[in-house]
Amino acid sequence: QVQLVQSGAEVKKPGASVKVSCKASGYTFTGYYIHWLRQAPGQGPEWMGWINSNSGGTSYAQKFQGRVTLTRGTSINTAYMDLSRLTSDDTAVYYCARYTGNYYAFDIWGQGTLVTVSS
Amino acid sequence: EIVLTQSPATLSLSPGERATLSCRASQNVNNYLAWYQQKPGQPPRLLIYDASNRATGIPARFSGSGSGTDFTLTISSLEPEDFAVYYCQQRSNLWTFGQGTKVEIK
Repeated sequence: QVQLVQSGAEVKKPGASVKVSCKASGYTFTGYYIHWLRQAPGQGPEWMGWINSNSGGTSYAQKFQGRVTLTRGTSINTAYMDLSRLTSDDTAVYYCARYTGNYYAFDIWGQGTLVTVSS
Repeated sequence: EIVLTQSPATLSLSPGERATLSCRASQNVNNYLAWYQQKPGQPPRLLIYDASNRATGIPARFSGSGSGTDFTLTISSLEPEDFAVYYCQQRSNLWTFGQGTKVEIK
């Protein structure tokens, strides 16, 4: 079935970087954009950026410009999110999500990856 | 940034009752609004796109309405599995989400 499977939970120290992976299956990976969002406890999701899985083109939310890098590996149907200079405010569940042109909405989500930043 | 304000924060209802959730945008988003359902420990699930269209597999008891700045998600008769948090999300200018409405069992 169509799914996105993310890498496991991470614990990082302030100032470090984290890289989260998102492996797609059940559909043509290069046919859809992948977006990355995060969700802090008790809050709504926050959009971070997208990657065109075909061309590799990217767009980032201004809040994360210079700290986030989105990449992909088309041969392995996997997208990656790299976030640097972590602070405690970056503690959240990070999601990848497929953006569909059928709905112009996020129709398939990964299971989420908890990133905890603590000294 | 377009801010979405959801109300109420919490809705306490019994199974079989009707739920009406509100989402107000800080500026016109046309009909570019979606609704998601989220249960604890799970990612959001798409329910409604473009204000009033149900996504594939979503039961008919879920309906959306509105345009411009004011939107409503209605659950006509609550089933036990509908108790969850609901988020609205706009795509008119980038993507932003509301803070959510929790539908809890009364």
